[in-house]
Amino acid sequence: ETGVTQSPTHLIKTRGQQVTLRCSSQSGHNTVSWYQQALGQGPQFIFQYYREEENGRGNFPPRFSGLQFPNYSSELNVNALELDDSALYLCASSYQSQGVEKLFFGSGTQLSVL
Amino acid sequence: AQSVAQPEDQVNVAEGNPLTVKCTYSVSGNPYLFWYVQYPNRGLQFLLKYITGDNLVKGSYGFEAEFNKSQTSFHLKKPSALVSDSALYFCAVSPSGGYNKLIFGAGTRLAVHP
Repeated sequence: ETGVTQSPTHLIKTRGQQVTLRCSSQSGHNTVSWYQQALGQGPQFIFQYYREEENGRGNFPPRFSGLQFPNYSSELNVNALELDDSALYLCASSYQSQGVEKLFFGSGTQLSVL
Repeated sequence: AQSVAQPEDQVNVAEGNPLTVKCTYSVSGNPYLFWYVQYPNRGLQFLLKYITGDNLVKGSYGFEAEFNKSQTSFHLKKPSALVSDSALYFCAVSPSGGYNKLIFGAGTRLAVHP
C-alpha cells in the first residue's frame, strides 16, 4: 500500500455546509498535495503544502483551504459547499531520499453535495 | 495555457494484442511526464515517468512509454495486453519538474477483452 490514508472514504453534505477532509501520510513525507477529481475528469491540483506552509495553489477559490501538521497529517477544508464541489478528493504526499523523489496517492474521499 | 490531452475516451483491445494509449501535452520548458493508473474506488498508482534521457521509458506491470519531443507526445504502450490491465489511465505533466502541481489529462479507459 501507499501509506497515505484518507478519511472519511465517503461523505454526504448539503449545499452551504462546511467540510473537513483528512489525510495521514508516512513519517518524513514533507510535501502534501490535494487534488479534486470530478466524475469523468482527471484530477485537478488544488494546493500543496511543504513543511506546514502553502507553497502552490491551483485555480480554486479561497473557500478551499488547507492545513498541514507536524505529525505528517493534513486537512482540506471547504466552506460554503456548492453542488459542483461533488468529487473525489485525493491527497498525495511525497518525500525525497538520496536525490529520488517519490509520490504516493491515497484512495480518496468521495464527497457528494446535495 | 498548459494542458494535457488524451484524445481517446476509451481504448478497446483484445487480450494478447499490443495496446497504445495516447497523450499529448502543451507545456513550456522541459516538463516531467507521468502515467498513472486508477482502479475502481482506488487512488492513483504510478506506472512510469520521463525526466530526461532515453525516449523509451519502462515502467511497472510491463508498460512502457515513448517520449517524442517534436510531437509533444508521451504515448503509453504494452506489447501484450492482459484483461487485468483494464482500468482508467491518466497522463500527467509537471511543468516545474518533480512531482509538483501535476497537470492531468482527462483519462482514457482501457478495456481488454478476453
